[in-house]
Amino acid sequence: DAGITQSPRYKITETGRQVTLMCHQTWSHSYMFWYRQDLGHGLRLIYYSAAADITDKGEVPDGYVVSRSKTENFPLTLESATRSQTSVYFCASSELPGTSGSLRGFQYFGPGTRLLVL
Amino acid sequence: RKEVEQDPGPFNVPEGATVAFNCTYSNSASQSFFWYRQDCRKEPKLLMSVYSSGNEDGRFTAQLNRASQYISLLIRDSKLSDSATYLCVVRVLGTGGFKTIFGAGTRLFVKA
Repeated sequence: DAGITQSPRYKITETGRQVTLMCHQTWSHSYMFWYRQDLGHGLRLIYYSAAADITDKGEVPDGYVVSRSKTENFPLTLESATRSQTSVYFCASSELPGTSGSLRGFQYFGPGTRLLVL
Repeated sequence: RKEVEQDPGPFNVPEGATVAFNCTYSNSASQSFFWYRQDCRKEPKLLMSVYSSGNEDGRFTAQLNRASQYISLLIRDSKLSDSATYLCVVRVLGTGGFKTIFGAGTRLFVKA
């Protein structure tokens, strides 16, 4: 019963490098989300996906790319990392809102990836 | 104005105290409400949903006031293990579908 996992858990990279953060969920949830969390800002939505091959921008999408070829995976790519992208990144998933037993679509979070861009 | 606002705290309380957090939201179309708990350097976890009639889970009581657009969380008989950040979460149904909005959180420290 793995739930939702993220890898790597910690990553140090350099400015300009491409970095991909992985997210995998075993519940077959329709929705998946990527957030970043910084001091003073709380959780900010980067991208989300309502289903395989359907993605949409959140509040802070610039500099990030996502894909969702399979329901269970939702990788986040920093095309050219910048220092301002140093943050903690959380992936989350939820069932379709309104689905019976879904607690009205609340989100389950992965353990997070701590990214440092030098 | 932020869509979901919380007092950042920190709230410093002794063990056994009762503490209350409030949260206000700006969108009257908000449909679902939750409180999450986040421990230091960990992921947010659902604490409880918030229902219009109010709901209780052990030492925790959540209330929703739709007319005033605020949500509250009451913790009775505080334990050291209650020390965490509490996030107010609101889900809004808009033209683009559901949107989940997290407050920045209220920090609680319970001391012996």
